[in-house]
Amino acid sequence: GAGVSQTPSNKVTEKGKYVELRCDPISGHTALYWYRQSLGQGPEFLIYFQGTGAADDSGLPNDRFFAVRPEGSVSTLKIQRTERGDSAVYLCASSLETSVSYNEQFFGPGTRLTVL
Amino acid sequence: QKEVEQDPGPLSVPEGAIVSLNCTYSNSAFQYFMWYRQYSRKGPELLMYTYSSGNKEDGRFTAQVDKSSKYISLFIRDSQPSDSATYLCAIWLSSGSARQLTFGSGTQLTVLP
Repeated sequence: GAGVSQTPSNKVTEKGKYVELRCDPISGHTALYWYRQSLGQGPEFLIYFQGTGAADDSGLPNDRFFAVRPEGSVSTLKIQRTERGDSAVYLCASSLETSVSYNEQFFGPGTRLTVL
Repeated sequence: QKEVEQDPGPLSVPEGAIVSLNCTYSNSAFQYFMWYRQYSRKGPELLMYTYSSGNKEDGRFTAQVDKSSKYISLFIRDSQPSDSATYLCAIWLSSGSARQLTFGSGTQLTVLP
């Protein structure tokens, strides 16, 4: 079956602009995660959705970042007033419903965001 | 101090060598310990995970966890050029509504034919 897909694969924008990054999780996966990976670093947690609601948004760096998942499937990460420091690869992952035990997270290929 | 520290590398070894990759962590509440492999311009993929101290083996890969010293390792036997990738340790914590994977910074491995 299809894996996690993310669009666009690359996004170049100018400082101050607004961007939206899309994630299509694996069908049936109720948990969805966003991560940010800077060059030479590991992925950094941003936000976790269980169904339609953001269960944990403690990783969002500031109020310029916002994410939605209105129907419990596709998610959009929104960044307002982009800054050069936002340049990174944004990864999305999905998993089956999580409890205390770990369920494998399947990652998409990421969206490479460049802010000029 | 980062919650998960990983030996940065890069690491370059000849084909057939045994590779050792290492991480330390600071939070004793961490529950699951995993290793991901990431090829260039791809998302990470899970190699192995465990929740207890000791060794877990899967083919040429062995994951080792020592909770008393907060140390995790991945050993690759008979390394192959196709193993060339970045290896990320990651630790899972579930607390309340939080479900977080915390990653190390990754070790870039090159296996030379």
